[in-house]
Amino acid sequence: EAGVAQSPRYKIIEKRQSVAFWCNPISGHATLYWYQQILGQGPKLLIQFQNNGVVDDSQLPKDRFSAERLKGVDSTLKIQPAKLEDSAVYLCASSLYISEAFFGQGTRLTVV
Amino acid sequence: GESVGLHLPTLSVQEGDNSIINCAYSNSASDYFIWYKQESGKGPQFIIDIRSNMDKRQGQRVTVLLNKTVKHLSLQIAATQPGDSAVYFCAENPTGGGADGLTFGKGTHLIIQP
Repeated sequence: EAGVAQSPRYKIIEKRQSVAFWCNPISGHATLYWYQQILGQGPKLLIQFQNNGVVDDSQLPKDRFSAERLKGVDSTLKIQPAKLEDSAVYLCASSLYISEAFFGQGTRLTVV
Repeated sequence: GESVGLHLPTLSVQEGDNSIINCAYSNSASDYFIWYKQESGKGPQFIIDIRSNMDKRQGQRVTVLLNKTVKHLSLQIAATQPGDSAVYFCAENPTGGGADGLTFGKGTHLIIQP
C-alpha cells in the first residue's frame, strides 16, 4: 500500500514570498491533516479535512496560511507571505478511522 | 497551551537493555493515546495505541502503560536495538474539542549505545 506522498521535500524561500505544499493521502482515506513541526518540538495540528470539508482549522494562521482539498483527495497548503518563524517541517497525514493517522515524510521549509 | 509532555528530552540506553519513555498529560478527558516514533528526516510512524478503558497494552517488543490517576503514560521497549534510535512522541486525542486531530508532546530522543 502506497503511503502519504508529499512534495516538495525541501523548499527555501525568502521572507514575504509565497510557497505551496502538496499532499496525496493514502487511497480511500477520508480524513487529511496538515501539521507544522518546528525543530525540536512535536507536530502541531494546523487543519483537518473530512473529505473536502474543514473539520478544524482553529490553529491555522488564516491571515497567511490557506489550505484546500477540492475533490476530497489531494490537498495543498499555502503560505503567503512567509515569515521567518514559518521555518518548519510541514507534515501531511491521513486516516481511515479517526485515530490512527499515517504521516508523509514532510516538506522542510526554510525561510531566509 | 500544550497538554502533553515528556519528562526527558534525551534518553541513552545500552543496546539490549529495556527502555522506558515517560509522558505526562493534563487533559483528564482524553480517551485515546498513541506513541509515535520519528526517525531523522521522516514523518512520525505509529507504534502502539491505548484507550482510556485500558491500563496496559502489548505489541511486538513494546508495551504501553496508562495510569489515569496520575495522568501518566509510558512506553517500554524490550531489548533495545540500534534501529530503535529515534525521537518518540506521545500524542493524545482530546475529547469534547470537536476535532479529531492529535495533540503531541515535545518528544524524547532515544539514543542507543553499543
